Amino acid sequence: EAGVAQSPRYKIIEKRQSVAFWCNPISGHATLYWYQQILGQGPKLLIQFQNNGVVDDSQLPKDRFSAERLKGVDSTLKIQPAKLEDSAVYLCASSSRPSGQYFGPGTRLLVL
Amino acid sequence: SQQGEEDPQALSIQEGENATMNCSYKTSINNLQWYRQNSGRGLVHLILIRSNEREKHSGRLRVTLDTSKKSSSLLITASRAADTASYFCATAALGNRDDKIIFGKGTRLHILP
Repeated sequence: EAGVAQSPRYKIIEKRQSVAFWCNPISGHATLYWYQQILGQGPKLLIQFQNNGVVDDSQLPKDRFSAERLKGVDSTLKIQPAKLEDSAVYLCASSSRPSGQYFGPGTRLLVL
Repeated sequence: SQQGEEDPQALSIQEGENATMNCSYKTSINNLQWYRQNSGRGLVHLILIRSNEREKHSGRLRVTLDTSKKSSSLLITASRAADTASYFCATAALGNRDDKIIFGKGTRLHILP
């Protein structure tokens, strides 16, 4: 079974620029999550989709972050404009049931 | 906000020894999960223990849960070099969705050859 795919793996941008990350979940997984992991900390949930509907986006900084999941499969997470404190690893995960999430390799973002 | 807090923050042991990591949390939970993260394989789900369970095993892993103390422990027996990683506990708070989990800061485990 193919895992969760993410791209790009690395991205370096300057502050105030925009950036987008892409995620393809495991086939058949209805639930998709985006997490932000800052160095030395655990992942923090940004947004959760159930099929193509948003279940939880309470921790998403909506003034600069946006996410969508068209057709209930792939998802994109966008930051516009980026700030220095957005430097982190952005993890996508998917699940078919509550007992355990499957994570992608992450996108490492550096904002200069 | 972070619900779980792992202890110790870092741990170094000799290969073959057992490693024990602890997680304490603040509010009542539906379940508690342990994850491992290393550079090679990313973040991987290890085991889930529900609030009505006290102990679970999976291979060389043993997880205990004490809801009266709001704490959990992860024991890795006969450690191997490949166990070098960061280990996170993640809790699903009582009353929330089972899959809304909050991660702690993790324990960095280093297995010495």
